[in-house]
Amino acid sequence: DGGITQSPKYLFRKEGQNVTLSCEQNLNHDAMYWYRQDPGQGLRLIYYSQIVNDFQKGDIAEGYSVSREKKESFPLTVTSAQKNPTAFYLCATRQGATNTEAFFGQGTRLTVV
Amino acid sequence: DQQVKQNSPSLSVQEGRISILNCDYTNSMFDYFLWYKKYPAEGPTFLISISSIKDKNEDGRFTVFLNKSAKHLSLHIVPSQPGDSAVYFCAAYSNYQLIWGAGTKLIIKP
Repeated sequence: DGGITQSPKYLFRKEGQNVTLSCEQNLNHDAMYWYRQDPGQGLRLIYYSQIVNDFQKGDIAEGYSVSREKKESFPLTVTSAQKNPTAFYLCATRQGATNTEAFFGQGTRLTVV
Repeated sequence: DQQVKQNSPSLSVQEGRISILNCDYTNSMFDYFLWYKKYPAEGPTFLISISSIKDKNEDGRFTVFLNKSAKHLSLHIVPSQPGDSAVYFCAAYSNYQLIWGAGTKLIIKP
């Protein structure tokens, strides 16, 4: 079954803790992205990766970190430095360097308690 | 500065009628535009796209129109169905990165 799997669907974090959100894809897409969505706002880009072992900061990278050791995986760590981490996080993939549609996972809702 | 703007936060349409969602952009270098549909607590799903070399693209009940001189695009859904109730996002490509609008919540009334 091809697609993008994000886990967990819901995640609770205590203040001061780091948490890692998983994103796995079996679409063989080169590019992977992490977005954050807040109520009433569009999707804001956190980090993206066009190829294995390379990634770039997006518009709101502060307080986040990523790795891309395998083509299939692009985990996002929300660190304690992120001041307002409660949000809905979306992972997306896209094939190649052309203007094609991006495909999204089902998202992870992170709540700081 | 928002490069992609969806100025209507919400839109209510009678079932069976036409839904028109609007999107404006400021960057004339954008050359590819997409519309996505999103249900609560789910990832967006791709609906339809249009290249800047075209002014119209149709796919079933969905049609996207592009007016480059006005830097405006619109998504028409006809006829509107209850399952169309969702948030619709407009997005544009810039250097292979997607720039997103804030979304319009479409409510289809029975």
